[in-house]
Amino acid sequence: QQQVKQSPQSLIVQKGGISIINCAYENTAFDYFPWYQQFPGKGPALLIAIRPDVSEKKEGRFTISFNKSAKQFSLHIMDSQPGDSATYFCAALRGAGSYQLTFGKGTKLSVIP
Amino acid sequence: TAGITQAPTSQILAAGRSMTLRCTQDMRHNAMYWYRQDLGLGLRLIHYSNTAGTTGKGEVPDGYSVSRANTDDFPLTLASAVPSQTSVYFCASSTDAGGEQFFGPGTRLTVL
Repeated sequence: QQQVKQSPQSLIVQKGGISIINCAYENTAFDYFPWYQQFPGKGPALLIAIRPDVSEKKEGRFTISFNKSAKQFSLHIMDSQPGDSATYFCAALRGAGSYQLTFGKGTKLSVIP
Repeated sequence: TAGITQAPTSQILAAGRSMTLRCTQDMRHNAMYWYRQDLGLGLRLIHYSNTAGTTGKGEVPDGYSVSRANTDDFPLTLASAVPSQTSVYFCASSTDAGGEQFFGPGTRLTVL
């Protein structure tokens, strides 16, 4: 049973455009939702994260939008740049003290000049 | 600081052979994790350790074992490798449960 569903699988965006990646979860016990960025040949790195007590979090060009009632959250990359080309993973963690981070299957983003 | 180091970078292994993937962190994090990454499946947790001397099973623990003799090291052992264990393996650490997880560079393992 896949607990975090991520879409799309791949995404091509023009330089300067907005990249949007969506995730949906099933377990209402999840209370921490990070996004990881992974470049080819590297390990994932935390990009931005949100807790369900807020509906939006912004860090530079990256914004997480969170809809608790719909059990959905999304990553928006404004003014997308070729350097943003990477694979992005959403994830969810269940409760304080939990060790099991559940990942989505990933979205490969390509930003073309 | 180096953060998390993993060794080897890549390995080709004959089915049935044993293999230990090494992971060392220098951040004095309490928690450590092993994930496998397969195309189209994302990252899946194999085993974790919340502190030296204790370990726990993740989502896909079968065929793997771990130990945590000290804070810094968290080796992953495949006792008898099978082709389905071909994957990229990532070690990660965090200060404690629920904290930001920092990932190593990965080990690419091919089992033939």
